[in-house]
Amino acid sequence: DAGVIQSPRHEVTEMGQEVTLRCKPISGHDYLFWYRQTMMRGLELLIYFNNNVPIDDSGMPEDRFSAKMPNASFSTLKIQPSEPRDSAVYFCASSFFDRGSTFFGQGTRLTVV
Amino acid sequence: GIQVEQSPPDLILQEGANSTLRCNFSDSVNNLQWFHQNPWGQLINLFYIPSGTKQNGRLSATTVATERYSLLYISSSQTTDSGVYFCAVLYSGAGSYQLTFGKGTKLSVIP
Repeated sequence: DAGVIQSPRHEVTEMGQEVTLRCKPISGHDYLFWYRQTMMRGLELLIYFNNNVPIDDSGMPEDRFSAKMPNASFSTLKIQPSEPRDSAVYFCASSFFDRGSTFFGQGTRLTVV
Repeated sequence: GIQVEQSPPDLILQEGANSTLRCNFSDSVNNLQWFHQNPWGQLINLFYIPSGTKQNGRLSATTVATERYSLLYISSSQTTDSGVYFCAVLYSGAGSYQLTFGKGTKLSVIP
């Protein structure tokens, strides 16, 4: 397996624009997580899915953020409208319940100017 | 929620030296992982270690779940070991399944 695949790797956008981050989890994994990493707050869990169903979105900072998982092999995190304070590295991760490691993608570095 | 504390926050080593990184957690957990975030930002799995001891080359880890801590040992450090080491604990219960990270230990290995 190629691991967790995220796209794009880097995104620079202007304030107010819509941003969509994409993730393909490892095949067979039933949990998918979106994390955000900043210098100030470290690694924060934004939302996670189990079998494509959102379970806990309490970490999503505000209504400008939304996430979907239309099928077992694809998820998106959307920010609309984007703001400079959204600048961070966004990681997607996947795992198989209670049977080992959680694996992370390479992250998307988002810069909102 | 569960608290994860790592120490030391920063560590500078001469190449070839050994080190021990510590992770304390506040509650019973289902599993524990150690990650290395390299200078390019990639999070690399080191160990999945809910209890006991594991070794992988120059790295080894020990988790004592009953005492709520884990240790990561790095022997004969190399400059490529530089980066941030994270401990993350998984609590699954009461409908929750969350991997919670500590703030990390930033390791710098100098030649």
